[in-house]
Amino acid sequence: EPEVTQTPSHQVTQMGQEVILRCVPISNHLYFYWYRQILGQKVEFLVSFYNNEISEKSEIFDDQFSVERPDGSNFTLKIRSTKLEDSAMYFCASLGSSYNEQFFGPGTRLTVL
Amino acid sequence: QKEVEQNSGPLSVPEGAIASLNCTYSDRVSQSFFWYRQYSGKSPELIMSIYSNGDKEDGRFTAQLNKASQYVSLLIRDSQPSDSATYLCAVRGRDDKIIFGKGTRLHILP
Repeated sequence: EPEVTQTPSHQVTQMGQEVILRCVPISNHLYFYWYRQILGQKVEFLVSFYNNEISEKSEIFDDQFSVERPDGSNFTLKIRSTKLEDSAMYFCASLGSSYNEQFFGPGTRLTVL
Repeated sequence: QKEVEQNSGPLSVPEGAIASLNCTYSDRVSQSFFWYRQYSGKSPELIMSIYSNGDKEDGRFTAQLNKASQYVSLLIRDSQPSDSATYLCAVRGRDDKIIFGKGTRLHILP
């Protein structure tokens, strides 16, 4: 069964460092998303991406964040200068043309020290 | 500010009984509604989606939508211990954002 994969599963970084979180969406999907979930809190929408551009972004997704689909398979989230409050679980999701079921990856736990 | 509200629980339900989970949303133009199940430390897993008023059944799960009241619910029949998880209500409006509620923790008592 096709699935969304994410790497790494856990990333530890120092405050101020850049991190890149990687996702491989399901191959024939067209819409891609990043979400964040701080421990014990709700899942928060960060950004959606369609047709090689951002379609929507939340107020959390400021200039420190960027997304890219550098090739036909990977979808990345970059945080340029991490802050302590960026520590969270980051989920990637993808959606097919049916615009129905959104499949989530297993997540990357980001810890900023 | 678009909001999705859920009772955080925990909601304790005896095994075999019906669990009823509720959600309200603030954006009247919301068009798509989803229930996700999330086990601790895991990613959300879609349980049900519903787009029009009324009931939608899938196995032991029934989603109910009332757009006039801006209310969506999930019923779980014949609750099993494996149903113990946090249930997330999510809503998509005309834009491409999906807003999640904080989730309701459900505990099925054996």
